[in-house]
Amino acid sequence: GNSVTQMEGPVTLSEEAFLTINCTYTATGYPSLFWYVQYPGEGLQLLLKATKADDKGSNKGFEATYRKETTSFHLEKGSVQVSDSAVYFCALTGNTGGFKTIFGAGTRLFVKA
Amino acid sequence: NAGVTQTPKFRILKIGQSMTLQCTQDMNHNYMYWYRQDPGMGLKLIYYSVGAGITDKGEVPNGYNVSRSTTEDFPLRLELAAPSQTSVYFCASSSDDRGGQPQHFGDGTRLSIL
Repeated sequence: GNSVTQMEGPVTLSEEAFLTINCTYTATGYPSLFWYVQYPGEGLQLLLKATKADDKGSNKGFEATYRKETTSFHLEKGSVQVSDSAVYFCALTGNTGGFKTIFGAGTRLFVKA
Repeated sequence: NAGVTQTPKFRILKIGQSMTLQCTQDMNHNYMYWYRQDPGMGLKLIYYSVGAGITDKGEVPNGYNVSRSTTEDFPLRLELAAPSQTSVYFCASSSDDRGGQPQHFGDGTRLSIL
């Protein structure tokens, strides 16, 4: 079945550091890929998405490129801020068989001033 | 914009009690979901619905029930609360479950069973 694996956290960075959170997936067909962010005490919010190979999703300085050849969708940001401290979830929605969205376990990011 | 609204935000139950977690959305979405999130863990799908009158089990349905009588509402029922059901519960909705449509989440219900 479909699955999502993302790097374990927590990840601790200083302000203005470069961020990468790795995400790889297993799926049949051509899934859509998402990154969601969860701030303390809140629900998940969509951060960005990509629906086909080589698409780049971007939002609020974050980017992720849908790489079908490596089955990856790594999240990057060039310069993190304290306000980026949150939990980040990689997710996919398959387009064959079951269509339920599969979420990764989440990666907690701490950014220090 | 209300989006997905969950009530209550917090609740403490005693073992064996029952309760209903409420979820309503105002986006006319057909698909609705219930997840639980245990500390430091990802989301586990409890139940989902693809439209009014249609529900199906997710990964962890035991101990829970749902109904979907209208497009807007998708309540989750705990019949005999157990300590293992202590968790944060999230309701979500989407316009579709394919084609890149994201899910929209409520702020969650934090449930403790003592």
